[in-house]
Amino acid sequence: QVQLKESGPGLMQPSETLSLTCTVSGFSLTSNGVGWVRQPLGKGLVWMGTIWAGGSTNYNSAVQSRLSISRDTSKSQVFLKMNSLQPEDTGTYYCARQPRIGDVMDAWGQGASVTVSS
Amino acid sequence: DIQMTQSPASLSASLGETVTIECLASEDIYSNLAWYQQKPGKSPQLLIYYANSLNDGVPSRFSGSGSGTQYSLKINSLQSEDVSIYFCQQNYDSPYTFGAGTKLELK
Repeated sequence: QVQLKESGPGLMQPSETLSLTCTVSGFSLTSNGVGWVRQPLGKGLVWMGTIWAGGSTNYNSAVQSRLSISRDTSKSQVFLKMNSLQPEDTGTYYCARQPRIGDVMDAWGQGASVTVSS
Repeated sequence: DIQMTQSPASLSASLGETVTIECLASEDIYSNLAWYQQKPGKSPQLLIYYANSLNDGVPSRFSGSGSGTQYSLKINSLQSEDVSIYFCQQNYDSPYTFGAGTKLELK
């Protein structure tokens, strides 16, 4: 079945670069997009960006200058890198399947909690 | 960016009741509207897509409607397992913005 699982460090220092990995199974990255969504503790959801089946990317302009999404299709992994971290980047980061451009997010990972604090 | 205004922010209802959650888009999104359910401590799960299409496995007591800029999620015969936060999301145009969420509790 379709599964996604996020992994990465839980605690980061301000100004550091966050690296998260989303490992997927049950579907192909060459046929489906994978997006990232952030949720600050106790707050709402923010779509950050998506890498599509063809390898192109879309980013939320609010984080575009700091964000990079890439993938390794041979390993079924999608990567999020975000630099210049600030405390307001604290939250849970989810990866989710977004099959085609304009599609909904039809399967989600369990989430990775990230705290940015000195 | 398309703004999604969701109401109410919180809702308290009794078992068996019918509840409705609204979502208003800042411009026409042509039914490209999804609803997600997030149970406490869990990740969001897709309930409804394209405004009124039920995702696989979602109970039929959930339904979606609307068009243009106005959309709603209706839950008939509320069950205890429906206690969750519900989010709408427009998938018409990037950035794919979410509503702020509606917290549904049991009375």
